[in-house]
Amino acid sequence: QVQLVESGGGVVQPGRSLRISCAASGFTFSNYAMHWVRQAPGKGLEWVATISSDGSETRSPDSVQGRFIISRDNSKNTLYLQMDSLRIEDTALYYCVKTDCDNIYCRLLVHWGQGTLVTVSS
Amino acid sequence: DIQMTQSPSTLSASVGDRVTITCRASQSINSWLAWYQLKPEKAPKLLIQKTSNLASGVPSRFSGSGSGTEFTLTISSLQPDDLATYYCQQYESHLSFGQGTKVEIK
Repeated sequence: QVQLVESGGGVVQPGRSLRISCAASGFTFSNYAMHWVRQAPGKGLEWVATISSDGSETRSPDSVQGRFIISRDNSKNTLYLQMDSLRIEDTALYYCVKTDCDNIYCRLLVHWGQGTLVTVSS
Repeated sequence: DIQMTQSPSTLSASVGDRVTITCRASQSINSWLAWYQLKPEKAPKLLIQKTSNLASGVPSRFSGSGSGTEFTLTISSLQPDDLATYYCQQYESHLSFGQGTKVEIK
């Protein structure tokens, strides 16, 4: 069955960087676009970034544009999120999510991981 | 950007009750609406896609309806396992979520 296991979260100071990862198994990772979605404490869900199945196209909202970069290594079945210039408001549980097709317009969130917690604090 | 407005933010109901959650979009999203169930310490779960199509393994007490800008999620007979927070999500343009509805059992 599909498994998505996030890792790499932790406590980081404002302005610093962190990279989180998602190990995928149970499906052909290279066939599917992937997303990162986050949930701040006590808040709702927010889309963070999208990457196509081959990694050639990415999208992200203005709130993280220029600071966060999504990438993937299909040879390792792993999704990444490089987060730079972190802000206190980036504190959240970050979910890795699998779609049902291969391009950046695939926006149905079919399978989710359990998330990794990123805390930005001085 | 398409804004999603979900209501109520919290609801309390008894086991066996019929429960309805509403989601409104700021512009037409055709039928590109999904519903998700979130429980603490668990991976979120897709319940319904394209307004009314139940995801695999989802109990038939869950149903979805609507079109254009107004959509509903209905639980026909609330069960203890349905204690969770529910989110709608549009995927007509980029993707955005409602604010969530926390369902409590009386």
